Amino acid sequence: DVVMTQSPDSLAVSLGGRATLNCKSNQSVLYSSNNKNYLAWYQQKPGQPPKLLIYWASTRQPGVPDRFSGSGSGTDFTLTITSLQAEDVAVYYCQQCHTVPCTFGQGTKLEIK
Amino acid sequence: QVQLQQWGTGLLKPSETLSLTCAVYGGSFSSYYWSWIRQPPGKGLEWIGEINHSGYINYKPSLKSRVTMSVDTSKSQFSLQLSSVTAADTAVYYCARSKFSGRHCDYWGQGTLVTVFS
Repeated sequence: DVVMTQSPDSLAVSLGGRATLNCKSNQSVLYSSNNKNYLAWYQQKPGQPPKLLIYWASTRQPGVPDRFSGSGSGTDFTLTITSLQAEDVAVYYCQQCHTVPCTFGQGTKLEIK
Repeated sequence: QVQLQQWGTGLLKPSETLSLTCAVYGGSFSSYYWSWIRQPPGKGLEWIGEINHSGYINYKPSLKSRVTMSVDTSKSQFSLQLSSVTAADTAVYYCARSKFSGRHCDYWGQGTLVTVFS
C-alpha cells in the first residue's frame, strides 16, 4: 500500500494567520496519462463525515473558500489555509488514489492559538 | 442535490456479518465509483473498497477475504457486507461517491457506527 505521512500531527495557528499542512507519499501519485496528481484533501469536524476540499492536488472543490489552496506534485504536497477562521478548526486528511487501495494520511489536527 | 443515505445493523457480536446499504439520491448512478470507508473511534480513515454500476470492484487486499460489495442499479443503491467481524471492525462506516478520474470522494453518507461486542 502507498503510505501517506502528514506533518505535523497537530498545529495551532492564530486567528487570521496562515496554516501550512504537509503530506508526503512513499511513491509518486502523478498519473502520467493525464498529468494529474491523484491527491485529495479533506476536512473533518467532530461528528461529521469528511468534506472534500481539494482534488488533483490543487483543484478546489466548488463552494470551498479560496482561503484553502493545494500545491505539490509527485510525492510532496501542501494544503495552505490563509486568514484562518474559527470554523477551520478540524482534522485534515490527505488521500491518494493513484494506486488501489486508496490510502489516507493519519491526519493533522488544526487548532486556534 | 446529491444525497447519500445509509443504514444497517449497529450492534454485532464477534463472528457475525456486518451489513450496510447506501441509497443515492440525485445525480447519475452510472458515472461514478461508489465507495466504503471506515473510521475507528478517535482514529483515522481507512478505505475499504469501491464498486461501479456494472459491478467492477476494488477491495482493500487486507480485507478482501471478508468483504463483499454489491450494487442494485434499479434502486440506485450499493451495499457492503463484512464477515467474521471482531472488535477491530468497530468503527463509523461511511459510504461515498468517487469520481472516476482521481477517485476523490465528493459526497458522503452520514456515517453508521458499528460496534462489535461480546
